[in-house]
Amino acid sequence: DAGVIQSPRHEVTEMGQEVTLRCKPISGHDYLFWYRQTMMRGLELLIYFNNNVPIDDSGMPEDRFSAKMPNASFSTLKIQPSEPRDSAVYFCASSLSGVANEKLFFGSGTQLSVL
Amino acid sequence: AQSVSQHNHHVILSEAASLELGCNYSYGGTVNLFWYVQYPGQHLQLLLKYFSGDPLVKGIKGFEAEFIKSKFSFNLRKPSVQWSDTAEYFCAVSQWGGKLIFGQGTELSVKP
Repeated sequence: DAGVIQSPRHEVTEMGQEVTLRCKPISGHDYLFWYRQTMMRGLELLIYFNNNVPIDDSGMPEDRFSAKMPNASFSTLKIQPSEPRDSAVYFCASSLSGVANEKLFFGSGTQLSVL
Repeated sequence: AQSVSQHNHHVILSEAASLELGCNYSYGGTVNLFWYVQYPGQHLQLLLKYFSGDPLVKGIKGFEAEFIKSKFSFNLRKPSVQWSDTAEYFCAVSQWGGKLIFGQGTELSVKP
C-alpha cells in the first residue's frame, strides 16, 4: 500500500479564498483523522471519522472549517474563507481500528500558506 | 481536560551527548503513550509506544522511554545522540476511540 496520501503538498493562497485539502487513507482503515501543526500550538486533532461518519469535531477551530468523508477512500478538509492564521501544516492519518493502542499512519502533510 | 506537556521546546546538544525529553500528561485513567518523530521535510513516524507491561520501552534507533505512573510521565531518552537525530519529537497520549492528544513538540538540534 502507498500509505496515507495527501494533496496538495503545498498550497499558497490569498486571504478570503477557499482551500480544499484532500486525503486518501490506507485501504481497509476504518478511522481517519485530521491534525493541524503550528509552531505555537504544536499538533492538534481537528476531527476524526469512523466508517465515514464524523465522531468528534470538537477540535475544529471555527465554522470556516469543515470536513467530509463521502466514502471510505477519500476525505476533504475545507477552509472557507481562509485567513492568514490558518497557515499551518495539515496532517491526515488513518488507523485500522479505533482501539487506543492501534498504530496511526500519517500522511506527508499539506503545508498551507495564506497570504 | 486531558492534556500533554512537553517542557522543552528546543534542545541543542552536541553529538554523543545524552538526551532526555520530558513528557507529562494529565489523565488519571489507563493510558497508552507514544513518541512520534518528524525529521526535517518528512512526515510523522512512530518512534515507540507503551501499552502495558514493562514500563521501560525500547524503540527504534536506540531510543527508549520510561513510563512512571506515579509521576504521570513518559520521558524519552537516548544515551548518545547523533547528528541524524535532529528532528522534532512529539509525545502523545491516547484514549478509547483512537483519539491522540499530542504535546507541543520538542525541537532537537544536534551539532556535529
